[in-house]
Amino acid sequence: SQTIHQWPATLVQPVGSPLSLECTVEGTSNPNLYWYRQAAGRGLQLLFYSVGIGQISSEVPQNLSASRPQDRQFILSSKKLLLSDSGFYLCAWNLGQGYEQYFGPGTRLTVT
Amino acid sequence: AQTVTQSQPEMSVQEAETVTLSCTYDTSESNYYLFWYKQPPSRQMILVIRQEAYKQQNATENRFSVNFQKAAKSFSLKISDSQLGDTAMYFCALGPGTSGSRLTFGEGTQLTVNP
Repeated sequence: SQTIHQWPATLVQPVGSPLSLECTVEGTSNPNLYWYRQAAGRGLQLLFYSVGIGQISSEVPQNLSASRPQDRQFILSSKKLLLSDSGFYLCAWNLGQGYEQYFGPGTRLTVT
Repeated sequence: AQTVTQSQPEMSVQEAETVTLSCTYDTSESNYYLFWYKQPPSRQMILVIRQEAYKQQNATENRFSVNFQKAAKSFSLKISDSQLGDTAMYFCALGPGTSGSRLTFGEGTQLTVNP
C-alpha cells in the first residue's frame, strides 16, 4: 500500500532563516506531487506541483521554492522566511488526471 | 478556470441525525471528477467520497452519499446517522478530466456533531 511521509511535524523558525520541508511517498512510482498551504480555518492554497523529476510548476509567486530530486521526494524550501509564511503545509500525491489526491500528515510552521 | 463554492462556513447537527453539506462548482470541461474530503482536528486530510461526472449514479460510502446534479453543477454531501467522530472541516474539490490533475478546493464547511 502507498504511504506518504512529511517531516518535520512541527517547526518554529525566526524571520529570515532558511526552510526545508520534506515529503516522500512509498509504494508507487512516478506520482504527481503537490505542496499546499493552509491558514487556520481556511481552504487549501496550491503552491507547487510536479509531474516528474525536475519538473516543477509554481502557482503562487513568493519566496518559496520546490524541488523534486528523486521520483518520490518533494522538497519545499525558502532562503529567508517571512512572518506570512506561517501556516500548515500539506504534501499530496496522486497518479494523475481523474485520480484522488492523498495527503500527508502536514507540517505546522510558525515563523517568529 | 474552475471554481468551487461552499456557501455554509459552519453547520451543526445532533448525533444520529442527518445533515447535508452544499457545494456548487463551475467548469468548462465536459468530463471531470468531484471529491469530498474530511479534515478532523488532527488536520489529516481524508478522502470521503469520489464522483465521476460521466456517471449518473450518485456515489455512496457507508453513511456518506452525494447528490450530484450535473446540470445545476451541484454536488452535496449527505451524512446519515451522524457520529461525534464526523466533527471536522469538510472540503469539496473539483478535478479536471482532460487538462491535468490539479484539484480546486472550496473554502470548507466546519461541521460540528453535538451529543
